[in-house]
Amino acid sequence: DIVMTQSPDSLAVSLGERATINCKSSQSVFYSSNNKNYLGWYQQKPGQPPKLLIYWASTRESGVPDRFSGSGSGTDFTLTISSLQAEDVAVYYCQQYYNTPYTFGQGTKLEIK
Amino acid sequence: EVQLLESGGGLVQPGESLRLSCAASGFTFTSYAMNWVRQTPGKGLEWVSGISSSGGATYYAGSVKGRSTISRDNSKNTLYLQMNSLSAEDTAIYYCAKASQAYYFDSWGQGTLVTVSS
Repeated sequence: DIVMTQSPDSLAVSLGERATINCKSSQSVFYSSNNKNYLGWYQQKPGQPPKLLIYWASTRESGVPDRFSGSGSGTDFTLTISSLQAEDVAVYYCQQYYNTPYTFGQGTKLEIK
Repeated sequence: EVQLLESGGGLVQPGESLRLSCAASGFTFTSYAMNWVRQTPGKGLEWVSGISSSGGATYYAGSVKGRSTISRDNSKNTLYLQMNSLSAEDTAIYYCAKASQAYYFDSWGQGTLVTVSS
C-alpha cells in the first residue's frame, strides 16, 4: 500500500498570511504514460464531508478559490493557501489515486493564529 | 447538482451484518465508478471499497476484504455496501463518493454513522 504522510499535523496561520501543507507518498504517484501525478487534496470542515480542492496535484476543482494551489511531483507535494481567510479553517487531506487501496494522509488541521 | 444520500447506518452488535445504501442523482450514474470511504470519529479517512461503472470490477481495502461486498443497481441509481462480521473497529461514518473518470473523488454524500457495540 502507498503510505501518505502529511506535515505538519496542525498549523496556525494569521489571517492574510500564507499556509503551506506538505504531503509525501511512500512511492511515486506519477504515471509517465500520461505525465500526470495521481494526487488530490481535500478540505473537510467540521460536520461536513470532504470536498475536493485539487486533482492531478495542481488542477483546481471548479469553484475553488484561486488562493488554493497545489504543486509537486513524484513523491513530494504541497498545498498552498496564499492568503488565509477565516473560512479556510478546516482539516486538509492529501490522497493518492494511483492505485488501490486509495490512501489518504492523516490530515492537517489548519487554524487561525 | 450531484446528490448522494447514504442510509442504512445504525447501532449493531459485534458479529452482526449491515447493508448501507447510497442513492445517487444529478448525474449519469452508469458512467462513473463509485466508492465507500469511512472516517472514524475524530480520525482520518480510509477508503473502504470501490466499484466500476458497470459493476464488473470491485476493489476492497484489506481491512474489509472477505467480509464486505460492494454492489450497484444501475437501474435504481443506487450503490450498496454489505458488511458482515462487524467489529468495534468498523465503527465510523461511511461516505459514498463519486469518482471522476480518473478516480479522484469529486462528490461526497453527507455520510451515515455505523456504531458497532454490545
